[in-house]
Amino acid sequence: QKEVEQNSGPLSVPEGAIASLNCTYSDRGSQSFFWYRQYSGKSPELIMSIYSNGDKEDGRFTAQLNKASQYVSLLIRDSQPSDSATYLCAVNIRDNQGGKLIFGQGTELSVKP
Amino acid sequence: NAGVTQTPKFQVLKTGQSMTLQCAQDMNHNSMYWYRQDPGMGLRLIYYSASEGTTDKGEVPNGYNVSRLNKREFSLRLESAAPSQTSVYFCASSEWGTDTQYFGPGTRLTVL
Repeated sequence: QKEVEQNSGPLSVPEGAIASLNCTYSDRGSQSFFWYRQYSGKSPELIMSIYSNGDKEDGRFTAQLNKASQYVSLLIRDSQPSDSATYLCAVNIRDNQGGKLIFGQGTELSVKP
Repeated sequence: NAGVTQTPKFQVLKTGQSMTLQCAQDMNHNSMYWYRQDPGMGLRLIYYSASEGTTDKGEVPNGYNVSRLNKREFSLRLESAAPSQTSVYFCASSEWGTDTQYFGPGTRLTVL
């Protein structure tokens, strides 16, 4: 079983709609969760981090975490064509070297005008 | 601040050739990472260095070696390149204990 799983998509939504991206993880000890956005041919850029159960909002983005269900999601409200990208979920794995991130395979989002 | 820089941006190798990918960060971070990204595979960790003087294997270390030259620089070496190593390589850094990683622009490597 993969440690971090995402639907690869593509997920297509119309402009102005809510895009919902989902991620599940296997390590119950994980404490830090991240969403990165990656435009085609570019490097990943951090858009959200979340550490506690519940919702965290930043502008049009809301991250949701449920540790009991080992589930983290990203909602994008009022989706814009410029949001079209691949979204990577990352989860920390603690080890004796401090820790590292495990990434999901990414969900490709397409926002249609 | 330049953040995380990588050289070269593009490289084409023949099977069996060697090369070193360079990475440097100016954020005074302790931890540095090398990933490869293949279509549909997300980012896979090759090696990481939690702090200067230490390195550890990640998920896919075979065929690679690393050197943490100093706090700023972390290089990745392919001793004998194979077509299976055709990929985009990203370097990242983070402050120890924070988990938030910042990525360089990537190196696109093709092995013929």
